[in-house]
Amino acid sequence: AQSVTQLDSQVPVFEEAPVELRCNYSSSVSVYLFWYVQYPNQGLQLLLKYLSGSTLVESINGFEAEFNKSQTSFHLRKPSVHISDTAEYFCAVSIIQGAQKLVFGQGTRLTINP
Amino acid sequence: KAGVTQTPRYLIKTRGQQVTLSCSPISGHRSVSWYQQTPGQGLQFLFEYFSETQRNKGNFPGRFSGRQFSNSRSEMNVSTLELGDSALYLCASSSPGSDTDTQYFGPGTRLTVL
Repeated sequence: AQSVTQLDSQVPVFEEAPVELRCNYSSSVSVYLFWYVQYPNQGLQLLLKYLSGSTLVESINGFEAEFNKSQTSFHLRKPSVHISDTAEYFCAVSIIQGAQKLVFGQGTRLTINP
Repeated sequence: KAGVTQTPRYLIKTRGQQVTLSCSPISGHRSVSWYQQTPGQGLQFLFEYFSETQRNKGNFPGRFSGRQFSNSRSEMNVSTLELGDSALYLCASSSPGSDTDTQYFGPGTRLTVL
């Protein structure tokens, strides 16, 4: 079975400051890794994913995440946040070439203060 | 391409009633998965359908059921509603084997049970 732990339930930061949202996972088999973002009263939007290849993956809006296999981590970072980044962020894993089933962490609420 | 659509967006029911939610996947996607999101339990996998067959099921009682039609549209049904069924129900579609198992979510159906 797989499990995902998001170490911080809430992260408050000031606008233009850097941020890191932490994610650790546990799995006995290889997995794909995802970050999804959820804005208020909306569904989940894919932010970025790690499938294979380079361990550093980037999104179009400045977020990046690095897959660390030895530490079983997939932390999300952004060097300078904006008010519009206020949302809940979910880390998730799925088994490679397996069931279309995502296992999610509990989410991290990112609040940007002006 | 149009995204995943879910209808209705909001629903209010009373205990003991039943409800049917609908999901239309992205064109060409043959896998549809359903998730329940609650403040207490977070995001939990309900089931997945592929080519009209249920391939995977989460740990939910038999009151929760679903089906998929030949055009890949899916419905989920909850019978004998309980207060604890109040949640955001999210549907996701994917195309296993291409775009490497990435699930794309709809906006969700907010179900309130009174």
